Amino acid sequence: GIQVEQSPPDLILQEGANSTLRCNFSDSVNNLQWFHQNPWGQLINLFYIPSGTKQNGRLSATTVATERYSLLYISSSQTTDSGVYFCAVKQTGANNLFFGTGTRLTVIP
Amino acid sequence: EADIYQTPRYLVIGTGKKITLECSQTMGHDKMYWYQQDPGMELHLIHYSYGVNSTEKGDLSSESTVSRIRTEHFPLTLESARPSHTSQYLCASSAQGWQPQHFGDGTRLSIL
Repeated sequence: GIQVEQSPPDLILQEGANSTLRCNFSDSVNNLQWFHQNPWGQLINLFYIPSGTKQNGRLSATTVATERYSLLYISSSQTTDSGVYFCAVKQTGANNLFFGTGTRLTVIP
Repeated sequence: EADIYQTPRYLVIGTGKKITLECSQTMGHDKMYWYQQDPGMELHLIHYSYGVNSTEKGDLSSESTVSRIRTEHFPLTLESARPSHTSQYLCASSAQGWQPQHFGDGTRLSIL
């Protein structure tokens, strides 16, 4: 199956700092989603971004499908941004999303 | 945000009990999914359905079973719970075509 690698695995930020999370994938995809899983286990949709760039408030994402990677940018981080960020992709013809192992973000005041 | 609901949110129960985890969505989505997630790990697909009376096993082997009698409802059942079933179970749905998946809040299951 497709391989999905996320980096870094862990990240600690001071409140107000900016960060970039990376997702590399090993094959062509027709679906890529970024999720934030909060400390209560809830999985929140951030972006549906198989290609291109999107922005939503302090968050933005870019997927370069031809080079098989996606980036999630967090600006002016807040303590509520803490949690695990997952990248998930779906190959053409596949039935489901394959998840990366996530980036665990801790934002300290 | 999408309307997909899971109950119960948390369940602690003894070994050998029969358990049903509920998942319902009000968006009319044809596709529904169950994922299993161990603490600190990624999600793995255990079941999916592309419509009424359609169910398939996912990539991760599971002793659970599912049914899809109505479009909006996709329950997951464990006939005899064991401690190895302790995990978080997340339900998702999506529309036809290349559409994003929307997730419920999950059920955290602990088998004693």
